[in-house]
Amino acid sequence: AQKITQTQPGMFVQEKEAVTLDCTYDTSDQSYGLFWYKQPSSGEMIFLIYQGSYDEQNATEGRYSLNFQKARKSANLVISASQLGDSAMYFCAMRALTGTASKLTFGTGTRLQVTL
Amino acid sequence: EAGVVQSPRYKIIEKKQPVAFWCNPISGHNTLYWYLQNLGQGPELLIRYENEEAVDDSQLPKDRFSAERLKGVDSTLKIQPAELGDSAVYLCASSLGGQPQYFGPGTRLTVL
Repeated sequence: AQKITQTQPGMFVQEKEAVTLDCTYDTSDQSYGLFWYKQPSSGEMIFLIYQGSYDEQNATEGRYSLNFQKARKSANLVISASQLGDSAMYFCAMRALTGTASKLTFGTGTRLQVTL
Repeated sequence: EAGVVQSPRYKIIEKKQPVAFWCNPISGHNTLYWYLQNLGQGPELLIRYENEEAVDDSQLPKDRFSAERLKGVDSTLKIQPAELGDSAVYLCASSLGGQPQYFGPGTRLTVL
């Protein structure tokens, strides 16, 4: 079984500052993928970034980076230079990369509010 | 490239009525997923299709929920009869093999 824990229900960050959203996970799978999604008020889940369990480098996509610490089972999302449009719910998710277990297991999300 | 399309975006029905949701995945994506998202929670998988075959429907309440993907492209999720507890957002996603899943805008269902 897989479990994702996001302990921050809500976060505030000032515009242009960096923010870290926490995510810890638990799995018995040896090969797995970690994902972050953004969900604005419109409801659509937007894929942001992906990290494979065997990737040695931390993933980066523009202003998003994933701080992957395998031994600690954490996959925190770092957003640099926050913008007002970053205000949304953020979900951490994972899935096994072996067999046919392709479903995503999500955390409960963190609501990020970017202020002026 | 067009994203995942879902309709309707919003649906309000009375309990015991039937309801259906439609999803058209990204062109070429062979895997299609239906997720349920309750308020304040992350999405949970209801059913996953590989082409036209349902390969994971273990979380689908089969007494009232059904789904189909007849030609391996678009899909329909049905609830009959709807209950008050079915009020939620129903999300459709698609992927090509093991690539990341891309989601549609969802259908927000309210059962009165």
